[in-house]
Amino acid sequence: DSGVTQTPKHLITATGQRVTLRCSPRSGDLSVYWYQQSLDQGLQFLIQYYNGEERAKGNILERFSAQQFPDLHSELNLSSLELGDSALYFCASSVWDGGEKLFFGSGTQLSVL
Amino acid sequence: AQTVTQSQPEMSVQEAETVTLSCTYDTSESDYYLFWYKQPPSRQMILVIRQEAYKQQNATENRFSVNFQKAAKSFSLKISDSQLGDAAMYFCAYRRGRDDKIIFGKGTRLHILP
Repeated sequence: DSGVTQTPKHLITATGQRVTLRCSPRSGDLSVYWYQQSLDQGLQFLIQYYNGEERAKGNILERFSAQQFPDLHSELNLSSLELGDSALYFCASSVWDGGEKLFFGSGTQLSVL
Repeated sequence: AQTVTQSQPEMSVQEAETVTLSCTYDTSESDYYLFWYKQPPSRQMILVIRQEAYKQQNATENRFSVNFQKAAKSFSLKISDSQLGDAAMYFCAYRRGRDDKIIFGKGTRLHILP
């Protein structure tokens, strides 16, 4: 168990809908990262938050948004869903212990039908 | 922009043998971090090993070791005494600095033959 919690584990929805994915980082970790894993694109970095503020943005579509709340949990909102948004979405948090470690949640499998 | 390349989409190795997975990366930074992550069928991303670029000594974690060639920008993973549980997708990854995003390669699927 990595200590990073993602809910739900599976999500099935229809095109045009909106969903929210939730992530709780490890206790004490300030950074949260969101990644999208699809068969053809591999692991793509979407966005990073650090202590409530957006730190870095990757290949995140305008239909997608995220935020990190004061209790450090994060939500990834996906709207106007398309078939191509079907993927495994990972959240990760990091800790510095004299070296760098990134811990991943178990992911949310999104299926858009 | 930084990139990570894994040139071997799939590999197979006999149980108990040794296998090496290749990874090259491109960066203009002098200080950075490199990782190998394992993704078994459970889909969980598991950190296998990490290397700080400023360290000359190659990292080792039990049966897993790396060959870090900074000048060549190469970071290969060696798995010794391969076990059935090592079967997974392996991702090489790069990180520029602390609290920076991690960039992943496309992955190498490793099969272990009994």
